[in-house]
Amino acid sequence: EDQVTQSPEALRLQEGESSSLNCSYTVSGLRGLFWYRQDPGKGPEFLFTLYSAGEEKEKERLKATLTKKESFLHITAPKPEDSATYLCAGVYSGAGSYQLTFGKGTKLSVIP
Amino acid sequence: EADIYQTPRYLVIGTGKKITLECSQTMGHDKMYWYQQDPGMELHLIHYSYGVNSTEKGDLSSESTVSRIRTEHFPLTLESARPSHTSQYLCASRTGVNTEAFFGQGTRLTVV
Repeated sequence: EDQVTQSPEALRLQEGESSSLNCSYTVSGLRGLFWYRQDPGKGPEFLFTLYSAGEEKEKERLKATLTKKESFLHITAPKPEDSATYLCAGVYSGAGSYQLTFGKGTKLSVIP
Repeated sequence: EADIYQTPRYLVIGTGKKITLECSQTMGHDKMYWYQQDPGMELHLIHYSYGVNSTEKGDLSSESTVSRIRTEHFPLTLESARPSHTSQYLCASRTGVNTEAFFGQGTRLTVV
């Protein structure tokens, strides 16, 4: 069974305190890995797609990286408005290519 | 920017009523999905479609039904709403094999 596991479940940071969120995934058959941001009561907002180990994508204070067995979402000098739940998802080959497998998310709180 | 719309955004309805949650996308995506999400909890896939006239049940058992008679439209119906159906329902769409999904803003359903 394809799996995506995120850690930590929750993370509290002081404003300006950089950190990383982790997403480990089932390696076999992975075709793409995605990061989303979700605010309370809203649908997930797409952030990044990563396809191969060594790939990096950046957007403002966020940078996503992919290794052969895990992905990281690095947050540099976070601000309170970065507070949200960050979701990682994978798409796999075969019949699983019709679905995205989501992790449970990391709830990030940035304290002023 | 994602062009996927859900209506209504909020719905409070009595037990036993029939309801239809609407989801439409203007991106021409072939694959569409319905997820159920309780506050602070993970996403659960309840239905998906990979094209017109195709529908499949997801990982989470649901008493709802879906239809896909047009590419852009993927409504979800509950024949008889119950308090246990109270949740947020999220619609998503994507195309291709390795691509990300885009989400609507969700429908927050409360059954009283």
